[in-house]
Amino acid sequence: AQSVTQLDSHVSVSEGTPVLLRCNYSSSYSPSLFWYVQHPNKGLQLLLKYTSAATLVKGINGFEAEFKKSETSFHLTKPSAHMSDAAEYFCVVSDTNDYKLSFGAGTTVTVRA
Amino acid sequence: DAGVIQSPRHEVTEMGQEVTLRCKPISGHDYLFWYRQTMMRGLELLIYFNNNVPIDDSGMPEDRFSAKMPNASFSTLKIQPSEPRDSAVYFCASSFRTYGYTFGSGTRLTVV
Repeated sequence: AQSVTQLDSHVSVSEGTPVLLRCNYSSSYSPSLFWYVQHPNKGLQLLLKYTSAATLVKGINGFEAEFKKSETSFHLTKPSAHMSDAAEYFCVVSDTNDYKLSFGAGTTVTVRA
Repeated sequence: DAGVIQSPRHEVTEMGQEVTLRCKPISGHDYLFWYRQTMMRGLELLIYFNNNVPIDDSGMPEDRFSAKMPNASFSTLKIQPSEPRDSAVYFCASSFRTYGYTFGSGTRLTVV
């Protein structure tokens, strides 16, 4: 079975400062890992994905995430937050065994001017 | 590519009525997923298909819910009869294996 734990339900940052969203996963097989973003009343947009290639994954809008197998983590970072980054972020795991997605509970990001 | 297309975007219906949500996946994708999002439960997988065949429907909450995929370009999620607790945003997603899951914009269902 696979699961994801997002360690922070809410993160508040000032514009221009770094953002860190923490995610730990468990998986019985080789996992694929994703980060999705959801702006208010919008659908889910893929930020980036890890599928057993490079452990440092670069995504859209300046986000990146590092896969650390020893720590079972896949934290999302951005060096400088922008007001448009205010949204909810989901860490997602998929076992290559069955391709189902398991979502974390989400982290709400607030960006202060 | 137009992405995953869901219709309608919004649906308001009375309790007891039948509701049908529609999804057109991306051409060439072999997996299709239906998710439900609520404040209380977050995102829940309801059912998923591989090559039009239902693989896992263990997330379907009750017999009132049913889903079909008659061909590679169309899927429906039906609720009959609908109840107020079914109010949620329903997302459809498609993928080619694990190479990239694309979500539709969702259908916001309100049952009054």
